Amino acid sequence: QKEVEQNSGPLSVPEGAIASLNCTYSDRGSQSFFWYRQYSGKSPELIMSIYSNGDKEDGRFTAQLNKASQYVSLLIRDSQPSDSATYLCAVNNVNYGQNFVFGPGTRLSVLP
Amino acid sequence: ETGVTQTPRHLVMGMTNKKSLKCEQHLGHNAMYWYKQSAKKPLELMFVYSLEERVENNSVPSRFSPECPNSSHLFLHLHTLQPEDSALYLCASSQVVGRGTEAFFGQGTRLTVV
Repeated sequence: QKEVEQNSGPLSVPEGAIASLNCTYSDRGSQSFFWYRQYSGKSPELIMSIYSNGDKEDGRFTAQLNKASQYVSLLIRDSQPSDSATYLCAVNNVNYGQNFVFGPGTRLSVLP
Repeated sequence: ETGVTQTPRHLVMGMTNKKSLKCEQHLGHNAMYWYKQSAKKPLELMFVYSLEERVENNSVPSRFSPECPNSSHLFLHLHTLQPEDSALYLCASSQVVGRGTEAFFGQGTRLTVV
């Protein structure tokens, strides 16, 4: 089983700060990368997808991918208390039947 | 109407019961998935269907039996479950099974086996 790793947290940041969430994956052939947000007791909600090396920005969120280092990150600018949730990293490599392998998630707490 | 709908939202069942979880997607997708989410464990992929054909089965015990009658509906039939099967069961769908596809989740069914 290919692995996706994340720090479990909790990661605590003050309101208005930048939250940085990290994810590493073991399968070098992975092709697609996703960040999901999951509030307690709710289902995962897709925030960002990224497929090419570099940065991808969407509002306050920026996903960064470095395939050589097998590393994907999510930056949240101007963090708000409503961003407090668990953030799941998911990786897709269908060549090896690895459909959406998820990491354990990082719990983020934004302090007012 | 939400994109992926799961019923029931909560289910309590005894170990000798038979029940079914239902998932329906209104996104026009061709792939559907069942995931299990237990406390303090990553999401575990259970089954993948593409155009109603099962394409992946991750060594799931036979007490879990999936059914995909068409590309919009997915069921998970449950029988003689164990207490350790208590978890959040999530259905997801994506356009296709493959690179560049994004998966969208239903609200989940919180299952408790007593």
